[in-house]
Amino acid sequence: AQSVAQPEDQVNVAEGNPLTVKCTYSVSGNPYLFWYVQYPNRGLQFLLKYITGDNLVKGSYGFEAEFNKSQTSFHLKKPSALVSDSALYFCAVRDDGGSQGNLIFGKGTKLSVKP
Amino acid sequence: NAGVTQTPKFQVLKTGQSMTLQCAQDMNHEYMSWYRQDPGMGLRLIHYSVGAGITDQGEVPNGYNVSRSTTEDFPLRLLSAAPSQTSVYFCASSAMADTGELFFGEGSRLTVL
Repeated sequence: AQSVAQPEDQVNVAEGNPLTVKCTYSVSGNPYLFWYVQYPNRGLQFLLKYITGDNLVKGSYGFEAEFNKSQTSFHLKKPSALVSDSALYFCAVRDDGGSQGNLIFGKGTKLSVKP
Repeated sequence: NAGVTQTPKFQVLKTGQSMTLQCAQDMNHEYMSWYRQDPGMGLRLIHYSVGAGITDQGEVPNGYNVSRSTTEDFPLRLLSAAPSQTSVYFCASSAMADTGELFFGEGSRLTVL
């Protein structure tokens, strides 16, 4: 069965520093991986996805993610963090057992960026 | 551009009461789904639909019913509310051809006393 793990409940970063939010996955076939962001009292917003191709995927708001097949990881990164990046981040994998639309989400990582 | 609209945003129920959470999308998406979000547990899939007249169960379907009579609407019914159903509920939709890029509503916060 597919699953994703986000090993950190919270990540604290100073504004202007690079940030990394970690995600590891377990799939039986080719992984379809995603990152979503949730701002307080809002729904989730799609950031980026990896289906195939380049291991470095670029997404919204300056975020990017690096797919590493040997380490089964899909870490979210940004070169220079902003206070406005503070939010809850979810990694997700497509559930191949059901509809193509079904995603399995990690438990989320709270990113806090301090001025 | 409304996207995915959920109502109500907040609701308080007593144990045993029933209610319906409404979800509507104006993007002509075939796929719609309901998730619940609980602290420390991420999002868990309740029910989903791949088109009008077609629904199926997700990871945590017990205590919930859905129907899909039109492409636009996908209501979630709580038959007899229990305190364990206290949660934030999210409706999401996507075009079937665009795998994984879900559009979420703003959420409905439900408290069952």
